[in-house]
Amino acid sequence: DQQVKQNSPSLSVQEGRISILNCDYTNSMFDYFLWYKKYPAEGPTFLISISSIKDKNEDGRFTVFLNKSAKHLSLHIVPSQPGDSAVYFCAASAKYDMRFGAGTRLTVKP
Amino acid sequence: DSGVTQTPKHLITATGQRVTLRCSPRSGDLSVYWYQQSLDQGLQFLIQYYNGEERAKGNILERFSAQQFPDLHSELNLSSLELGDSALYFCASSLSGRALSGTDTQYFGPGTRLTVL
Repeated sequence: DQQVKQNSPSLSVQEGRISILNCDYTNSMFDYFLWYKKYPAEGPTFLISISSIKDKNEDGRFTVFLNKSAKHLSLHIVPSQPGDSAVYFCAASAKYDMRFGAGTRLTVKP
Repeated sequence: DSGVTQTPKHLITATGQRVTLRCSPRSGDLSVYWYQQSLDQGLQFLIQYYNGEERAKGNILERFSAQQFPDLHSELNLSSLELGDSALYFCASSLSGRALSGTDTQYFGPGTRLTVL
């Protein structure tokens, strides 16, 4: 049962442009949403999160938007840099459970 | 470097066998979490321990078990292995036991790649 879906397996953008990664969820009980970044041969690292009571959270070049009515969240990276090339996982949590999407591979071209 | 260590890095074994994966959390972290990532899938939460006690259980098979020792390191035991158990197994740690709620940060180790032949 895939409660968290990332429908784009890959995304390629030009350096300096905006990267938008999308994530959909089905369970309305989720109350925290997170994004993780993963480089090859490393574990995921936490990037940014948002509580369900907010619709936007910003941290430097990274902004997460949450649309609860659509059960959709997105991660915006502006401007994109080659070092941002990685796999990005979205995750949704509800107290004692956390579900992850399958990931989107972002490639930022110089 | 997250400070979480996992051994071994790679493990190749045969169906029906039993293996043990080891995780040492970041210094000071009391909670460990185990995840399985199969090919092209997201991470599946397996189980969480906090200060030696089981705190939460996810999609962990009965053939799998885990424990957290007094020194806070954790082991994940996988038995009667099947081909479908081939995956990356990640351990994460957090200071509190609240990382699954999103209110504490999980720090992930580099993972153990298990191949069952």
